[in-house]
Amino acid sequence: AQSVSQHNHHVILSEAASLELGCNYSYGGTVNLFWYVQSPGQGLQLLLKYFSGDTLVQGIKGFEAEFMRSQSSFNLRKPSVHWSDAAEYFCAVGARQTGANNLFFGTGTRLTVIP
Amino acid sequence: NAGVTQTPKFRILKIGQSMTLQCAQDMNHNYMYWYRQDPGMGLKLIYYSVGAGITDKGEVPNGYNVSRSTTEDFPLRLELAAPSQTSVYFCASSLIDRAYETQYFGPGTRLLVL
Repeated sequence: AQSVSQHNHHVILSEAASLELGCNYSYGGTVNLFWYVQSPGQGLQLLLKYFSGDTLVQGIKGFEAEFMRSQSSFNLRKPSVHWSDAAEYFCAVGARQTGANNLFFGTGTRLTVIP
Repeated sequence: NAGVTQTPKFRILKIGQSMTLQCAQDMNHNYMYWYRQDPGMGLKLIYYSVGAGITDKGEVPNGYNVSRSTTEDFPLRLELAAPSQTSVYFCASSLIDRAYETQYFGPGTRLLVL
């Protein structure tokens, strides 16, 4: 069965610190990989995605993620966090199944940024 | 485009009551999804639809029903509300183009069953 693991449940950083959030997945077939961000009381916004090609993908708001097939990982990074980055971050794996490309989500990582 | 819209934003139900969560998208997406998000958890797929008239179960379909009579709308029905259905519900849509797909999410409906 597919699974997505985000081992960091809560990360606390000072403003301007660098960020790396881990994501590992388990799935035997071809996957599409996503990072979504959810601000309090809001829906999910797509940060970035990987389908194929260059394994380092750039997203919105200065985020990037690197797909490492050998480690089944898709870690999210940002060189310098801003207070406005405080939110919940979800990694998701899209696994093509019959009729639809269902998304499997990790449990999320809450980012707190200290001014 | 408004994207994906959901109504209501918040609702309190008594046990055994029924209600319909509305979802609409104006992007002409063929795929639509319903997820629920429980506290401290990721999203879990309830039902999905690959086009008008076609729906299928996701990971946690029990206690819910869906229909898809038009491309734009994908309502989720709770027939007999139970406390276990207290959650935040998200609707999403996507356009399948070759092998690529990105799901776009609505703002969510917060449901409390007492």
